[in-house]
Amino acid sequence: SQTIHQWPATLVQPVGSPLSLECTVEGTSNPNLYWYRQAAGRGLQLLFYSVGIGQISSEVPQNLSASRPQDRQFILSSKKLLLSDSGFYLCAYELTGGWNSPLHFGNGTRLTVT
Amino acid sequence: AQKITQTQPGMFVQEKEAVTLDCTYDTSDPSYGLFWYKQPSSGEMIFLIYQGSYDQQNATEGRYSLNFQKARKSANLVISASQLGDSAMYFCAMRNNAGNMLTFGGGTRLMVKP
Repeated sequence: SQTIHQWPATLVQPVGSPLSLECTVEGTSNPNLYWYRQAAGRGLQLLFYSVGIGQISSEVPQNLSASRPQDRQFILSSKKLLLSDSGFYLCAYELTGGWNSPLHFGNGTRLTVT
Repeated sequence: AQKITQTQPGMFVQEKEAVTLDCTYDTSDPSYGLFWYKQPSSGEMIFLIYQGSYDQQNATEGRYSLNFQKARKSANLVISASQLGDSAMYFCAMRNNAGNMLTFGGGTRLMVKP
């Protein structure tokens, strides 16, 4: 079976500082990987997705970037955080892709930019 | 473009009773999947149930069932015999063949009363 790990669970960072959130998946190879953000009390917004190593698609232009240095590793980064980057960040994977494939999420990282 | 609407921001249900959470969707793609997720206060997104656009039968998973009315473009989640642990946010989501991205509704907060 597969498991997904996200860390850290919580993070408080000052404005202008860098960011690195990490996500890893175990128990499968070549999963599709996703980063979502959830503002307080809101639904989820897709930020990035990846279908393979080094392949990143961005859904929303913003202050963030993503990288996939290894098959089962997905990293969300920023060089300089903004107050508006605060939120709950969720990593997700899927095994097969397609319209009938569910995403499976990690436990999330709660980011507060002060 | 695909769109998901959840019109109930919050709902109460008495423990052991059944509850229906509403979800309507809009897509012009004949191939699509509908998903429900549960998000407890801890934050993780838990996949509950899936319904495909070509499925003839309503999906069921334990106490969860999906009331799929294709002509009305609705995919309501029914939780039978509510438990205190069912208190959470519930999100309806959809993906189709065109964009293939999972799009979420705004969510419904369910509160189960003892």
